[in-house]
Amino acid sequence: GAGVSQSPRYKVAKRGQDVALRCDPISGHVSLFWYQQALGQGPEFLTYFQNEAQLDKSGLPSDRFFAERPEGSVSTLKIQRTQQEDSAVYLCASSLDTLVLVANVLTFGAGSRLTVL
Amino acid sequence: RKEVEQDPGPFNVPEGATVAFNCTYSNSASQSFFWYRQDCRKEPKLLMSVYSSGNEDGRFTAQLNRASQYISLLIRDSKLSDSATYLCAVIPSNFGNEKLTFGTGTRLTIIP
Repeated sequence: GAGVSQSPRYKVAKRGQDVALRCDPISGHVSLFWYQQALGQGPEFLTYFQNEAQLDKSGLPSDRFFAERPEGSVSTLKIQRTQQEDSAVYLCASSLDTLVLVANVLTFGAGSRLTVL
Repeated sequence: RKEVEQDPGPFNVPEGATVAFNCTYSNSASQSFFWYRQDCRKEPKLLMSVYSSGNEDGRFTAQLNRASQYISLLIRDSKLSDSATYLCAVIPSNFGNEKLTFGTGTRLTIIP
């Protein structure tokens, strides 16, 4: 597609519910990132994929967070047993190649805004 | 200490003025630096990369000071449309680390 597509755009969950957020990166993009952005803060790194391989998951805040990209294109971020502190915008971004080599082409999706009640 | 730090502002600046933001980073091995712009309730969009020699794009000038470990963004002749949050971003190292790390953002409002 022309851009990075995320769904749903808005999600309201009751505390304890599981949620799944989807990211469709730009076609052919090798690298895919998930970020969490709380209100008034900058995006915080969650995890990074190169094709289907999850190379860095150091930013996932707890074992309730899980991300996958099984075929190296679409990615899903799953949050189990949601808590109020999980309320944030979850941003997905993709780039054609590794950022260090192709430094300035990280394209973000519009985000999925999660509110946990 | 956070890896990337910015003054959150807000900066309220009259139209036509010049405004500058700084952003400090903690890892001296950092190699890649960027400024992103984020409008309210929108995604971040790349404004410009920051090169060692400094670079300019129209009214925007970005500079890197490795000795003091900061990057700066200068906006000249500010326009109402420049109102946004400006995020600096750093890749902390150059060895396969793809963890683009953002500051908290500096909020800028241009006043008519």
